[in-house]
Amino acid sequence: AQSVAQPEDQVNVAEGNPLTVKCTYSVSGNPYLFWYVQYPNRGLQFLLKYITGDNLVKGSYGFEAEFNKSQTSFHLKKPSALVSDSALYFCAAHGGNDMRFGAGTRLTVKP
Amino acid sequence: DTAVSQTPKYLVTQMGNDKSIKCEQNLGHDTMYWYKQDSKKFLKIMFSYNNKELIINETVPNRFSPKSPDKAHLNLHINSLELGDSAVYFCASSQRTSGRGSGANVLTFGAGSRLTVL
Repeated sequence: AQSVAQPEDQVNVAEGNPLTVKCTYSVSGNPYLFWYVQYPNRGLQFLLKYITGDNLVKGSYGFEAEFNKSQTSFHLKKPSALVSDSALYFCAAHGGNDMRFGAGTRLTVKP
Repeated sequence: DTAVSQTPKYLVTQMGNDKSIKCEQNLGHDTMYWYKQDSKKFLKIMFSYNNKELIINETVPNRFSPKSPDKAHLNLHINSLELGDSAVYFCASSQRTSGRGSGANVLTFGAGSRLTVL
C-alpha cells in the first residue's frame, strides 16, 4: 500500500526567502506524485504533478518540485516566498485506484 | 461556473440524526470521490465511484452510504450521526484513464461541507 509522509507540521519563512516543504513517499511501481494547496475554507487546488521524465517539475504560482528516486522524496520549492503563499500544502501519491494524501504542512510566510 | 459543487456548505445537527451531503460536477469526469478531513486537517478517502460503480470503499462505518444516481452526482448519506463524524467532507472528481499514466489524473475538489454534530 502506498503512503505519503510530510515530516513538518509547520514551516515558517520570511517573505522573499526560498521555501521548501518536504515530502517522502512509499509507492509500489512507478510513483505518480502530486502537490495540492488548501487555502482557508476552500477545497484543495492542484499545484503540480510528477509522472515521468525531468525530475524537476514546474507548477502553478511559481512553485516547483524535485523528484528524487533514491531518497523517495518529492519536496516542494519556491525561490522567493510571498505572504499570499501562506496555506496548507498536501503531498499526494497515486497507486491502485486512489490518491493518498500526506498529513499536510502549514506554510506561513511572514512579511 | 463551479466545477465541483457541494451542498450544504455548513451543517449543524444533533447526535442520532440522519443527514445527506450532495455533490455535483460539471466537468464531464467519470470518477467521483468523498474525502473526510478531520480537525487535524488529515485527509482520508472514504469512497470512490467510477461511472456510478463503487470502486473504493475504505474502512468506513456502514452508517455512511454513498449514492451515485449518475456519473455527475455522488451524494453522501449519514445515518445515526455521532460526535466523531464532525469533520469537513470534500467531494472530488477526476477523469479516469487506462494504461500508462492512468494514475496521474488530477483531482478537482469541491469547497467542502463542514459537518458539526452536537
